[in-house]
Amino acid sequence: AQKITQTQPGMFVQEKEAVTLDCTYDTSDQSYGLFWYKQPSSGEMIFLIYQGSYDEQNATEGRYSLNFQKARKSANLVISASQLGDSAMYFCAMREVSYGGSQGNLIFGKGTKLSVKP
Amino acid sequence: NAGVTQTPKFRVLKTGQSMTLLCAQDMNHEYMYWYRQDPGMGLRLIHYSVGEGTTAKGEVPDGYNVSRLKKQNFLLGLESAAPSQTSVYFCASSPGVELFFGEGSRLTVL
Repeated sequence: AQKITQTQPGMFVQEKEAVTLDCTYDTSDQSYGLFWYKQPSSGEMIFLIYQGSYDEQNATEGRYSLNFQKARKSANLVISASQLGDSAMYFCAMREVSYGGSQGNLIFGKGTKLSVKP
Repeated sequence: NAGVTQTPKFRVLKTGQSMTLLCAQDMNHEYMYWYRQDPGMGLRLIHYSVGEGTTAKGEVPDGYNVSRLKKQNFLLGLESAAPSQTSVYFCASSPGVELFFGEGSRLTVL
């Protein structure tokens, strides 16, 4: 069974510094996707970044990058140049992809609360 | 540009009452999902649908029923609400990879 582990319940970072949010996953499938979502205090779920298991390069989206280490089964999110608006809950998630291309369900970790200090 | 819309946004129920949460998406997505979010638990999948007329159980389906009679709508029903169902409920739709979420519905069962 697939599983997502986020070991940092909460983290602090100084404004303008970089921060890494940890995520490890467990799956027996070879084909899967990894996601990061942001949930600000207003409650909505905002998609940040996606990494496919066969993607050779780490995904990047603006200030977000995903440090994908397949052998270690880790998919850490790196936020560069933190801003006050980055203060939020961050969720790592994974879904498996079957041989026929059918997408499995998205399974979430418990989240990391990031607080950016001015 | 509505995306995924959930109604109602807030609801207070008494134990034993029934209610239905409606999720509507205008993106023609095949996949739709209902999650619940509880403090410290992340999001857990209740039920999902891979297309019109189909539904399946997720991780925590007990006490809930769903229907997908139309492709754009996914209904979540509570037949007899319990305090343990107090939560924030999120609907999501997907064309295949990324999930698009609604704004959430906060349900309190007294």
